[in-house]
Amino acid sequence: QVQLVQSGAEVKKPGASVKVSCKASGDTFTNYDINWVRQATGQGLEWMGWMNPNSGETGYAQKFQGRVTMTSNTPISTAYMELSSLTSEDTAVYYCVLIWFGVWGQGTLVTVSS
Amino acid sequence: DVVMTQSPLSLPVTLGQPASISCRSSQSLVHSDGNTYLSWFQQRPGQSPRRLIYQISNRDSGVPDRFSGSGSGTDFTLKISRVEAEDVGVYYCMQGTHWPPYTFGQGTKLEIK
Repeated sequence: QVQLVQSGAEVKKPGASVKVSCKASGDTFTNYDINWVRQATGQGLEWMGWMNPNSGETGYAQKFQGRVTMTSNTPISTAYMELSSLTSEDTAVYYCVLIWFGVWGQGTLVTVSS
Repeated sequence: DVVMTQSPLSLPVTLGQPASISCRSSQSLVHSDGNTYLSWFQQRPGQSPRRLIYQISNRDSGVPDRFSGSGSGTDFTLKISRVEAEDVGVYYCMQGTHWPPYTFGQGTKLEIK
């Protein structure tokens, strides 16, 4: 079964961008849509968007339109989520997820602080 | 967007006793293909969410059979037949019928009395 391993924690200043990676192993990367879900500390789960590594097609939650970009590098089986114009409200753990298969990465804590 | 509403939001349970969590959707989750894409996730403290149940009642591999899901249309339930200490955490329902977006319930925090 596929496994997802994410990049490490990040600390960013307000207004900056962050790029989180998610490397898949154990199965063909292009077989799955990659979703991104975030969770602020002590809060619930919020879906951000998805991408298909095979076609490059993406879809973003309205809340993040214009601020999020999801990409992939298929030769190295890695997906990326970049979020720009960060504010303190973006401080959260970001997960890559294969929603249809119930597979989650370990999460990446992004802290936005001046 | 489909709104998912869970109750209760806090669930204190005695070890060995049953527990039940309700999840209601703002519209029917029956897909045009006939399936209902309602899942349940468990999130233990400090861990990533883990899917327990998909399509209302199908347990994921390795999930103990004390967990069961039921329901239809807009009303769904996750039941734990006998709560164990390892069941402490937050439980979320999620709909995948009317995506995008996928939407989650607010979460139900299960704790041991």
